[in-house]
Order: sequence, then structure tokens, then C-alpha cells
Amino acid sequence: ETGVTQSPTHLIKTRGQQVTLRCSSQSGHNTVSWYQQALGQGPQFIFQYYREEENGRGNFPPRFSGLQFPNYSSELNVNALELDDSALYLCASSWGGTNEKLFFGSGTQLSVL
Amino acid sequence: AQSVTQPDIHITVSEGASLELRCNYSYGATPYLFWYVQSPGQGLQLLLKYFSGDTLVQGIKGFEAEFKRSQSSFNLRKPSVHWSDAAEYFCAVGPYLTGGGNKLTFGTGTQLKVEL
Repeated sequence: ETGVTQSPTHLIKTRGQQVTLRCSSQSGHNTVSWYQQALGQGPQFIFQYYREEENGRGNFPPRFSGLQFPNYSSELNVNALELDDSALYLCASSWGGTNEKLFFGSGTQLSVL
Repeated sequence: AQSVTQPDIHITVSEGASLELRCNYSYGATPYLFWYVQSPGQGLQLLLKYFSGDTLVQGIKGFEAEFKRSQSSFNLRKPSVHWSDAAEYFCAVGPYLTGGGNKLTFGTGTQLKVEL
């Protein structure tokens, strides 16, 4: 186990709703990255938070937003959900704003109906 | 733009046989290369990584990978596969530091099935 926990594990929403996913990073880590993994695809980088600031963003629209708290846990918020947002959302924690060693949580499976 | 290609979507090997999973990348600078493994319902686990130095890197669970700059490849190998190796394997490329537009890019994965 990595020590990275995500909640909830599964979620069902309807189109147009908003959702908040949560991630607790591994002890000692100050960086959290969020990835979207659609069925049959590799993870796609959404954004990264390093010491409570956004530290890089992938090709996702502004309705995907995030937050990192002083204890380095993080939230991913998605507004105006679309059917294509259905995916596994993975959180990964690391140290120092690097990609050197990402520790992934087990993910939140989001279904948008 | 950076990209990763994993040409094999599915691979089936017999337990005890050798394994090679292919990965080709495109990256404009010195690449930082990774192999991750994902078991069903789980997150990704780092098997090994390469940034510089010896082009043959050893990882966990008996895996190794070889970086070949001339071929833009970073293939994963294991001499003898165990049934517990059945999983999905992802190759990734990116920078060491994330910031600005830097990011880690993953391939689409190779699903490994092990026949007993």
C-alpha cells in the first residue's frame, strides 16, 4: 500500500452536476497530482499542486479545478459534469514538485449518467 | 509534443516464459522514463525509472528495462514471468520537474495475461 487514500471509491452523478473528489497524500509528501484514466486508456495529467499552489496543468477545461490544503491533502472539483467525464480519477503524491516517484492512490471511479 | 506508444495492447505469455513489453517515446529533451504496473481496481505502482547513467535499469519484482536513445525505446523485460505478473503495464515519459507546461505522459498500456 502507498499511504495515498482517495475518497469516495465510487460515485455516480448525472450530467450537469458538480463533484468533489478527495485525496490524502502520503506522509512527508508536499505534491499532489491528479490524473484522469478513461476506460482502456492511460492516465491523462489534469494538474499538480505543490505547496498549495497549482504547479502545472494539462489540457483540461477550467471546470476542472483543484485545491491543496496546508496538510497537503487535495481536492479535485469538476463542475457541469459531462458524460465523457466518466473515468477513474487517480491522485498521486510525491515530493518537491517532481515526477521522480509518484505514489498513486486506488482512485475514484466516477460514472456520469 | 511528447508522446508514448505502446504497440501491443494485449500480450499473453506462459508462466515461466520471458517477457518483453515495448515502449517508444517522443520527447524534445532528455527524457525521464518510467514503467508503472496497475492491477485491477488499484492505482499505479512504479516498477522502475530512468533518467541518466547506465541504460539498463533494474526495478522491483525482477523487472528490468533498457533505454535505447537511437531507437527512442524503453522496453520492459522479465526473464521468467509469474502468474502474479498479470496486470496492465504503462510506460511514461516526462520531465523531472513539473511546472508550467511540464507533465508526465503515459502510453495507453499493455494488458499482460499469464497462462498457467
